Amino acid sequence: AQTVTQSQPEMSVQEAETVTLSCTYDTSESDYYLFWYKQPPSRQMILVIRQEAYKQQNATENRFSVNFQKAAKSFSLKISDSQLGDAAMYFCALYTGTASKLTFGTGTRLQVTL
Amino acid sequence: GAVVSQHPSWVICKSGTSVKIECRSLDFQATTMFWYRQFPKQSLMLMATSNEGSKATYEQGVEKDKFLINHASLTLSTLTVTSAHPEDSSFYICSASGVTNYNEQFFGPGTRLTVL
Repeated sequence: AQTVTQSQPEMSVQEAETVTLSCTYDTSESDYYLFWYKQPPSRQMILVIRQEAYKQQNATENRFSVNFQKAAKSFSLKISDSQLGDAAMYFCALYTGTASKLTFGTGTRLQVTL
Repeated sequence: GAVVSQHPSWVICKSGTSVKIECRSLDFQATTMFWYRQFPKQSLMLMATSNEGSKATYEQGVEKDKFLINHASLTLSTLTVTSAHPEDSSFYICSASGVTNYNEQFFGPGTRLTVL
């Protein structure tokens, strides 16, 4: 079985500041993929960033970057220069070939204040 | 690219009626489609996985006779909530993956179902 844990139900960050969202996971697979999805009030799921487990280099997409610690099974998301539009629910997700489906964490609600 | 649409976006029905929700991949062939249910302020709960031309695989605890899933083509999957009751009211989301991006899912905008 695979699990994804997000221990921060809510986080808050001031505009232009940096915030890090935590995610830990567990799987016995050696080959897997990790994702961060954003769900704004519209409820449309938007892919923020993905990481292949076999890649040592941390993925980066503009202001979004991850800290992937494979041995610790940790996959945190860092948002730099936070913007009001970043306010949303963020879900960490794990995909393995054996399960062939995404396992989601419980989500972290991010507030961005002025 | 990789756009998934859902229709309708919002539906209200009377208790006892059936409701069909469509999920379409607009610019790629979706070999696998997924149906999720999401309660307010909660995560996505996978209901079933369907592969084109095959019967859907339901997650434990999901009533297959209540939630009928059809994936008849590479661009269309439907979820029919049969004999809907107020407890079926929820937000339903579909996602799709293709042959070349099998490990990545592209999500539809969701359908809000309200059963009176």
